[in-house]
Amino acid sequence: AQTVTQSQPEMSVQEAETVTLSCTYDTSENNYYLFWYKQPPSRQMILVIRQEAYKQQNATENRFSVNFQKAAKSFSLKISDSQLGDTAMYFCAFMAYGGSQGNLIFGKGTKLSVKP
Amino acid sequence: GAVVSQHPSWVICKSGTSVKIECRSLDFQATTMFWYRQFPKQSLMLMATSNEGSKATYEQGVEKDKFLINHASLTLSTLTVTSAHPEDSSFYICSARPYRDSGGAFFGQGTRLTVV
Repeated sequence: AQTVTQSQPEMSVQEAETVTLSCTYDTSENNYYLFWYKQPPSRQMILVIRQEAYKQQNATENRFSVNFQKAAKSFSLKISDSQLGDTAMYFCAFMAYGGSQGNLIFGKGTKLSVKP
Repeated sequence: GAVVSQHPSWVICKSGTSVKIECRSLDFQATTMFWYRQFPKQSLMLMATSNEGSKATYEQGVEKDKFLINHASLTLSTLTVTSAHPEDSSFYICSARPYRDSGGAFFGQGTRLTVV
């Protein structure tokens, strides 16, 4: 069974600074996807970034980038130039490729507060 | 990105009554949809996988007779909480993945259910 671990329950960062959220996972699968989702106070789940395990290049989406270390089973999220609107819960998620019909396995989340 | 609409966004019902929550994929077909439950300050817990044209697959510990799932078309899945009790009060979220698209899932806005 796959597991996703987020070891930082809460983090805070000053506006315009950079913050890194940690995520590790455990799986015996070779092909899979990893995701970071953001859940703001509205509770709408928003896809921030995704990474295919077969790709060595780290994914980036504007101010968001990941550090994917497949051998270490680590998948951290870096937020650059933090903005007040980045305040939210962030969930790391795993999905086996082609398996479980797209079932996402979530970590417990990290509550990020961006301070002015 | 793909759009998933969930309705209602909030509902209050009396103990013993039933409540139906709808999840629609607006611009894509989804043979599979997922229903999650989220307790305050916790992560998303998968309740069941909804399969178009067949029976839903429930996670261990989820009562099939209490949480009825129907996936009658490629764009609609419904979750009915039967004989609701206060302990069923929670935030329910659905998600769907475009058919043959392995890249993540898109979430509805969620439904806050309060049973009084």
